[in-house]
Amino acid sequence: ETGVTQSPTHLIKTRGQQVTLRCSSQSGHNTVSWYQQALGQGPQFIFQYYREEENGRGNFPPRFSGLQFPNYSSELNVNALELDDSALYLCASSLPSGGGYNEQFFGPGTRLTVL
Amino acid sequence: AQSVTQLGSHVSVSEGALVLLRCNYSSSVPPYLFWYVQYPNQGLQLLLKYTSAATLVKGINGFEAEFKKSETSFHLTKPSAHMSDAAEYFCAVINTGGGNKLTFGTGTQLKVEL
Repeated sequence: ETGVTQSPTHLIKTRGQQVTLRCSSQSGHNTVSWYQQALGQGPQFIFQYYREEENGRGNFPPRFSGLQFPNYSSELNVNALELDDSALYLCASSLPSGGGYNEQFFGPGTRLTVL
Repeated sequence: AQSVTQLGSHVSVSEGALVLLRCNYSSSVPPYLFWYVQYPNQGLQLLLKYTSAATLVKGINGFEAEFKKSETSFHLTKPSAHMSDAAEYFCAVINTGGGNKLTFGTGTQLKVEL
């Protein structure tokens, strides 16, 4: 069974650029959540995708957007990068919670540095 | 909105000593509570979870946590620290019926000394 994978591992961008981060969910998982972890902080929920539709969003501006594909893999896109977007971006996959809870399995993350 | 507070951003213990990492939650409804561990340059690994069953929860690597409603706490303990326990630990919460969105604390860095 393949776990959650993310690419790239590291990325360096300059302010104002756009970036796309990718996530492949664990086999059989159709729900993907994205989190931002700034240095020295806990992860912050960005949004969640279920069956290719956004299914909940945290307190992030619209320049943070996402996609989920039919194979349940997902992309996180960030436009007009700002210095404060420098962080570790974590993807987590799970089965749908149905109002309860299903364990989220995290990938190793993508370290984004904005100069 | 639900939240968790972790007391102590850094905790240092001697190898073989008791590990105690503190977490208090704020939730208007019974929450689901979690402890995750993060090793350097890695993602998050679930240590244990409380989902309204037994109040004393046992997890991996010898860790356990006790849900205390009267104290709104969910502290993480391990009787005897090992060098390999050095990592960052995060407490997290989900409200029941609130979807699968995790709200994390700010983390506690555990250092284990010889």
